[in-house]
Amino acid sequence: DAGITQSPRYKITETGRQVTLMCHQTWSHSYMFWYRQDLGHGLRLIYYSAAADITDKGEVPDGYVVSRSKTENFPLTLESATRSQTSVYFCASSSASDIEKLFFGSGTQLSVL
Amino acid sequence: AQKITQTQPGMFVQEKEAVTLDCTYDTSDPSYGLFWYKQPSSGEMIFLIYQGSYDQQNATEGRYSLNFQKARKSANLVISASQLGDSAMYFCAMRVLRGYEKLTFGTGTRLTIIP
Repeated sequence: DAGITQSPRYKITETGRQVTLMCHQTWSHSYMFWYRQDLGHGLRLIYYSAAADITDKGEVPDGYVVSRSKTENFPLTLESATRSQTSVYFCASSSASDIEKLFFGSGTQLSVL
Repeated sequence: AQKITQTQPGMFVQEKEAVTLDCTYDTSDPSYGLFWYKQPSSGEMIFLIYQGSYDQQNATEGRYSLNFQKARKSANLVISASQLGDSAMYFCAMRVLRGYEKLTFGTGTRLTIIP
């Protein structure tokens, strides 16, 4: 089924470990985004990408790394997970021609113990 | 910098009544877009409605309308004839022309529809 999918849906890890969250979209959208959602903060932009091999920092990029070697994939890596990175992570995409419509994945709930 | 403020952390509304969810914004950019998203308990974010800063008329999408008051910098979401399935978290968001890729979100309002 076409759309934007995130994996895993749930992840528990320990502090200091590297974790990668996956995001895949089938629409060939130019833009892809990673947000984190925390109580009292709404959604905050971590990183975004305008096209393959083009990425830029958002509001809260520290401790995260992204890559976009292919248009359809936009993985987010926590290089050394910390407890403050416990959150729900959302991937999103939008097309350049219809940029006002952002489509979100179902989210990844990450717990760092 | 842009800022979105949603002052209602939670609301309880009787089924079939109309609902207004408040949203105010702040930006110095003259060109921007305002969005509302719904997040049900399942977690996914669903796009509801969009209003451009130069749009002359308020946006409408089915039972959703956006009450856009530019001078007051408000973009309230109105849901007519509320249904039980409207119970969810609602987020207001803004995107500006400069740095237009980035969507700034408010903290959300949790709406509960009472049967």
